[in-house]
Amino acid sequence: AQSVTQLGSHVSVSEGALVLLRCNYSSSVPPYLFWYVQYPNQGLQLLLKYTSAATLVKGINGFEAEFKKSETSFHLTKPSAHMSDAAEYFCAVRTTGRRALTFGSGTRLQVQP
Amino acid sequence: DAGVTQSPTHLIKTRGQHVTLRCSPISGHKSVSWYQQVLGQGPQFIFQYYEKEERGRGNFPDRFSARQFPNYSSELNVNALLLGDSALYLCASSPWTGGGGAEETQYFGPGTRLLVL
Repeated sequence: AQSVTQLGSHVSVSEGALVLLRCNYSSSVPPYLFWYVQYPNQGLQLLLKYTSAATLVKGINGFEAEFKKSETSFHLTKPSAHMSDAAEYFCAVRTTGRRALTFGSGTRLQVQP
Repeated sequence: DAGVTQSPTHLIKTRGQHVTLRCSPISGHKSVSWYQQVLGQGPQFIFQYYEKEERGRGNFPDRFSARQFPNYSSELNVNALLLGDSALYLCASSPWTGGGGAEETQYFGPGTRLLVL
């Protein structure tokens, strides 16, 4: 079985501050991990993915995430928040044996001016 | 290149009616998956199709069905609509390598927002 837990349904940061969105996963086999972003009234856009090639993954819009097997975590970070980063962020897990993505419940990021 | 396209963008139905949602995958992608996203929650997997065959099914009732066409586009059908079916329905397309590996990353369309009254 696979599952994802996103700690914090809402995160608020000031513009220019560090963004940290937390994701912990559970998987009995090596996982593929993903971060998707959803802007209001839109679909999901892929931010970045971990596929076992490298533990530190860089994505679009300055985001990156680090896979830590010992902590079963895949937290999303960005050094400096921009107003345009305000959106909902979803962490998802998949394994080779199961093609369906399992999503977390999402974290809404608010960026204050 | 065009991304995943879905139609219609919005739909209003009444309880008991039937609805059909459509999806066209990214050119070159042969697999299509459907997800339901209820307001305030993460997407939930409904179906995956490849080569017109169902390759995966989530925990949804038989009122939900889907099919894939020779051009790899897909339809999701929901019968006997309930108020609880109100949601954003997302279609995702992916390559299919057969191994289920990292290359089979899913890319999502803008979704169809269904409101059941």
